[in-house]
Amino acid sequence: KAGVTQTPRYLIKTRGQQVTLSCSPISGHRSVSWYQQTPGQGLQFLFEYFSETQRNKGNFPGRFSGRQFSNSRSEMNVSTLELGDSALYLCASSLFPSEETQYFGPGTRLLVL
Amino acid sequence: GQSLEQPSEVTAVEGAIVQINCTYQTSGFYGLSWYQQHDGGAPTFLSYNALDGLEETGRFSSFLSRSDSYGYLLLQELQMKDSASYFCAVLGNYGGATNKLIFGTGTLLAVQP
Repeated sequence: KAGVTQTPRYLIKTRGQQVTLSCSPISGHRSVSWYQQTPGQGLQFLFEYFSETQRNKGNFPGRFSGRQFSNSRSEMNVSTLELGDSALYLCASSLFPSEETQYFGPGTRLLVL
Repeated sequence: GQSLEQPSEVTAVEGAIVQINCTYQTSGFYGLSWYQQHDGGAPTFLSYNALDGLEETGRFSSFLSRSDSYGYLLLQELQMKDSASYFCAVLGNYGGATNKLIFGTGTLLAVQP
């Protein structure tokens, strides 16, 4: 069974631009969570989607948004990029929400200049 | 609020045993997970403790004491490939529709020959 895939793997943007990242969960998994990982900050929870509905949200500004499609694929969008948004963005999937076992994708490394 | 504390770095030699501690403060606690992340790789699930006690999976064991808000990951017979970052993560309910995983900032384990 194929793992979680994320595209693109690397991205360079400039301040003020917006970006859309994509995540395809493991086949059959219906819950997708997004995390931001920066050095020294660990993984910080962004949001979780299940059945096309946002079920949980972390403490990030409204510039960070996401959505989930009927095939469980998910996208996250960051508008008006800031230098501090440079990070590794990880997507994780599970069969259902609130599971302790999540399967992570390789991440999208975003650099904001 | 919620917080997790774990050491930032641990060094050990091949064949030795190492313990990585994690203390947490949180509400709505459901359990404690551990994840491993190699440099440049995706986090991978290692173990989950919902109840007090020790869970053993091969060379890795994980312990939880709910009354002390404390857990640890024990790695035995260390191998060079165990060099990685290890994250503890609390599964809890923080007011959203679902539970979510809150990660610590990670412990970088360096295994030396």
